Amino acid sequence: QVQLQESGPGLVKPSETLSLTCAVSGYSISSGYYWGWIRQPPGKGLEWIGSIYHSGSTYYNPSLKSRVTISVDTSKNQFSLKLSSVTAADTAVYYCARLSSGWEFDYWGQGTLVTVSS
Amino acid sequence: DIQMTQSPSSLSASVGDRVTITCRASQSISSYLNWYQQKPGKAPKLLIYAASSLQSGVPSRFSGSGSGTDFTLTISSLQPEDFATYYCQQSYSTPPEFGPGTKVDIK
Repeated sequence: QVQLQESGPGLVKPSETLSLTCAVSGYSISSGYYWGWIRQPPGKGLEWIGSIYHSGSTYYNPSLKSRVTISVDTSKNQFSLKLSSVTAADTAVYYCARLSSGWEFDYWGQGTLVTVSS
Repeated sequence: DIQMTQSPSSLSASVGDRVTITCRASQSISSYLNWYQQKPGKAPKLLIYAASSLQSGVPSRFSGSGSGTDFTLTISSLQPEDFATYYCQQSYSTPPEFGPGTKVDIK
């Protein structure tokens, strides 16, 4: 059974960089599929941030592209998100997920709340 | 970018009701449309992929239809555990946009 678990600081100061990691179990990232990050501000809808393949190929949301870096570590079976120059608008629950063959998100982590505040 | 809209934004229904939610894309996305259910404090759960394919383990009272720009999610007989927010998502092109959601609550 595929399981994903996000980890990282729950509080980030404005202008700093948000860093999160998603550990995958039950499936080897090297075996295929894209893996992605999605966020959800409190009380609002879902926003795709970006996705990565095990080879390192990435796709980013154009609205965030200048601030986002997603990387993968196949030796640890995990992938990571960095979002720079954060503001209060980046406060959200951040989810990691697997993208199935049709780019539907079939497995999700439980989500982690990141608050941007001084 | 392809924009997604949903209607209604919320609805009230009773257990046993038939519920239909509509999703519209700003351009044709063929059948690249997925539906998710999200309960408070939980991650979204994939219900339907490729417009009409039922994800493994999802009850058969959920069904999806449509192609091109107009899609529907139908719950044939609403159950207590179905009160949640439902999102559509297009997977035709990047960015894979989500709709704004439809909240289904108890009448």
